[in-house]
Amino acid sequence: GDSVTQMEGPVTLSEEAFLTINCTYTATGYPSLFWYVQYPGEGLQLLLKATKADDKGSNKGFEATYRKETTSFHLEKGSVQVSDSAVYFCALMNTGFQKLVFGTGTRLLVSP
Amino acid sequence: DAGVIQSPRHEVTEMGQEVTLRCKPISGHDYLFWYRQTMMRGLELLIYFNNNVPIDDSGMPEDRFSAKMPNASFSTLKIQPSEPRDSAVYFCASSYPFGTGLLFSGNTIYFGEGSWLTVV
Repeated sequence: GDSVTQMEGPVTLSEEAFLTINCTYTATGYPSLFWYVQYPGEGLQLLLKATKADDKGSNKGFEATYRKETTSFHLEKGSVQVSDSAVYFCALMNTGFQKLVFGTGTRLLVSP
Repeated sequence: DAGVIQSPRHEVTEMGQEVTLRCKPISGHDYLFWYRQTMMRGLELLIYFNNNVPIDDSGMPEDRFSAKMPNASFSTLKIQPSEPRDSAVYFCASSYPFGTGLLFSGNTIYFGEGSWLTVV
């Protein structure tokens, strides 16, 4: 079945550091890929998405490129802020289905 | 526009009691999802509805769990009787399938703030 694998956390960075959170997936067909973010005590919010190969999703300084050849969708940000501290979830939605399959989440901690 | 609204936000109940979680999806959305989040198992899809009809309930853990959607603007998830292992955050989410019908997979799913359940 479809699955998403994320790097283990927590990822601990200093403010203004470069961020990469790795995500790879296994799926039949042509899924869409998503990054959701969960701030402490809150629900999940869509951060960005990409619906086909080589698409780049971007939002709030975060970027991720849909790489079909490596089945990856790594999240990057050039300069993190303390306010980016949260749990980040990679997810996929496969063709013909309307449900999301999530990775286990990666906690990001950014210190001043 | 209001987002997905869930209630209660927090509930503490005793083992054996009935728990009812409620959800109001975003107006116009015709897909509704119930997810459960725990430290051990992460985010799990329990059940989802399309046009008020359950489509996939394979994630519902056991007969103690039931979900209903009597109309387009309301859904419930019920646990009876509750057990300590049911302690989790339960998220409701909704979406509308824009794009080229069912073959389009890039629709955004919008989540509520969650219902934080503790069973003691």
